[in-house]
Amino acid sequence: GESVGLHLPTLSVQEGDNSIINCAYSNSASDYFIWYKQESGKGPQFIIDIRSNMDKRQGQRVTVLLNKTVKHLSLQIAATQPGDSAVYFCAERPGNTPLVFGKGTRLSVIA
Amino acid sequence: NAGVTQTPKFRVLKTGQSMTLLCAQDMNHEYMYWYRQDPGMGLRLIHYSVGEGTTAKGEVPDGYNVSRLKKQNFLLGLESAAPSQTSVYFCASSYTRGRNYGYTFGSGTRLTVV
Repeated sequence: GESVGLHLPTLSVQEGDNSIINCAYSNSASDYFIWYKQESGKGPQFIIDIRSNMDKRQGQRVTVLLNKTVKHLSLQIAATQPGDSAVYFCAERPGNTPLVFGKGTRLSVIA
Repeated sequence: NAGVTQTPKFRVLKTGQSMTLLCAQDMNHEYMYWYRQDPGMGLRLIHYSVGEGTTAKGEVPDGYNVSRLKKQNFLLGLESAAPSQTSVYFCASSYTRGRNYGYTFGSGTRLTVV
């Protein structure tokens, strides 16, 4: 079974509602941020990214917001579907170095 | 176009045994990475490579070695496996400057050391 998601913060939302997943990043020098989705038994998949010169970026049903003042990143998913159930990770790029990943949030969609 | 392929997908080792995990990418990415994922710990970087013939240590390199003899392959070796190395291992690759920095991940190797 899947053991990766143990001890993670969990967000439960009703199908059709909007979801907001939050992430606090650590390095004020980070210039690039990514959200990943990881389904059970699979590797993380890229969802959306944003550079530090932007504060908002939209994709298909997803929006990422960046607040550099408080070092906060959020992922908004519109009209959440059962297929959105997964663990979501934020990642930051502190300069020209590998990405640093957060610990993740589990999203559980209630049908 | 397969992306990032990891072999094997599952493995059980006895303490003290050695093994090599293979990662192959067909996207001509310069950078490659090895992460381990443990419950509640997120993804932690073991080693990475910025190009053929080069490697660097990440956050948790002890007990592991890596080699990047060809641009498309990145090998992770465990010389003497320990129960603390029981984990799910992910390989990833990416471009560098001037492009999207997002990583493409493989599907993972679940390793159990008994």
